[in-house]
Amino acid sequence: DTGVSQNPRHKITKRGQNVTFRCDPISEHNRLYWYRQTLGQGPEFLTYFQNEAQLEKSRLLSDRFSAERPKGSFSTLEIQRTEQGDSAMYLCASSRGAGLAGGSYEQYFGPGTRLTVT
Amino acid sequence: AQRVTQPEKLLSVFKGAPVELKCNYSYSGSPELFWYVQYSRQRLQLLLRHISRESIKGFTADLNKGETSFHLKKPFAQEEDSAMYYCALSPMNTGFQKLVFGTGTRLLVSP
Repeated sequence: DTGVSQNPRHKITKRGQNVTFRCDPISEHNRLYWYRQTLGQGPEFLTYFQNEAQLEKSRLLSDRFSAERPKGSFSTLEIQRTEQGDSAMYLCASSRGAGLAGGSYEQYFGPGTRLTVT
Repeated sequence: AQRVTQPEKLLSVFKGAPVELKCNYSYSGSPELFWYVQYSRQRLQLLLRHISRESIKGFTADLNKGETSFHLKKPFAQEEDSAMYYCALSPMNTGFQKLVFGTGTRLLVSP
């Protein structure tokens, strides 16, 4: 499978623990995005990388959240001191750079990591 | 602020009936609009975008800037169209493609 992959697919953790998720984008894609999806809602944008640079962070991303993309390839999303409100599906997507005339390339989504905080 | 509204959580139709999934948006600039679909046990994938003006799997969507709408339509629904549909918006010319999603509409096509 040459699509976006995410690991683990499921994570159950106790409140207060730290968790880390990994995303491997499609190899030629230089843009990587993280979204969070809670029950009954659409995905919400968290952060975005262009190569290794983190260029945008949502206000949803509190200081307990940190994301990295050290070599411009895979990315990790860490949540420290998890809370029950962090329970959600965490989605990663990747795309090529900006298209012509201000348009954009398609974002390809991974299968997501489902986090449950007990 | 950018916002996407999908007023229907569930749309249930019979096979062969026309389908219209509603999407309204609010954004002061020129947005790029998309429809994403998620079939059962599959990942989220792009269905169509207003820039390409394509018809994918028989679905079309027209951007109406006056009504700030981007409704998804199909003249004859098929059972395999049953899925979760999300309308999404991205501001153009911002240098990156942040997607703002609606809450989604579940389409159920019965035989």
